[in-house]
Amino acid sequence: GQSLEQPSEVTAVEGAIVQINCTYQTSGFYGLSWYQQHDGGAPTFLSYNALDGLEETGRFSSFLSRSDSYGYLLLQELQMKDSASYFCAVRRGGDFNKFYFGSGTKLNVKP
Amino acid sequence: NAGVTQTPKFRVLKTGQSMTLLCAQDMNHEYMYWYRQDPGMGLRLIHYSVGEGTTAKGEVPDGYNVSRLKKQNFLLGLESAAPSQTSVYFCASGQGAPPGANVLTFGAGSRLTVL
Repeated sequence: GQSLEQPSEVTAVEGAIVQINCTYQTSGFYGLSWYQQHDGGAPTFLSYNALDGLEETGRFSSFLSRSDSYGYLLLQELQMKDSASYFCAVRRGGDFNKFYFGSGTKLNVKP
Repeated sequence: NAGVTQTPKFRVLKTGQSMTLLCAQDMNHEYMYWYRQDPGMGLRLIHYSVGEGTTAKGEVPDGYNVSRLKKQNFLLGLESAAPSQTSVYFCASGQGAPPGANVLTFGAGSRLTVL
């Protein structure tokens, strides 16, 4: 089996930096993904890490430490439109075609 | 490109009724998935398919059946709906191979209420 843990809710102010953590327990770990979902909307892909280190895409960065079974999503220069839920998801070797999602972190950006 | 299209967007059923959710993708993706999303529980995989004519069980398959007769379509069926199946259902598709192997594209969701 597998388990993923994320904080349920995070609040930050516009212009700030926020980090959303994800710890996972799984066999045959292959990679960690991040998705964004606005209320009433569909999840959309943000990033994927298969190797240790930081991946940067504009204001968003994602980090992975395979030895610590830990990753995070870093959002910089927060904007009101970043208010959404963020999900981490693991991909397992063996269940290579499956993606298992965490329960999500609701980010509230305040002016 | 429409991407991933789900129909219907909303449906109310009575306990014991049957229905089918349709997912269609126009990206020529090999892999397709059905997830359900409940408050505080994230996305849970119901069934998935790695190609036309193939299906496999996910984490929570009981009470659901699926079919993938055509590559672009993935159907999710509820034979006898139960209140516990009240949820938002998301279909997703993926290439399954590089360069987009790790990216899932989701549909807009289908909100199902079972009374």
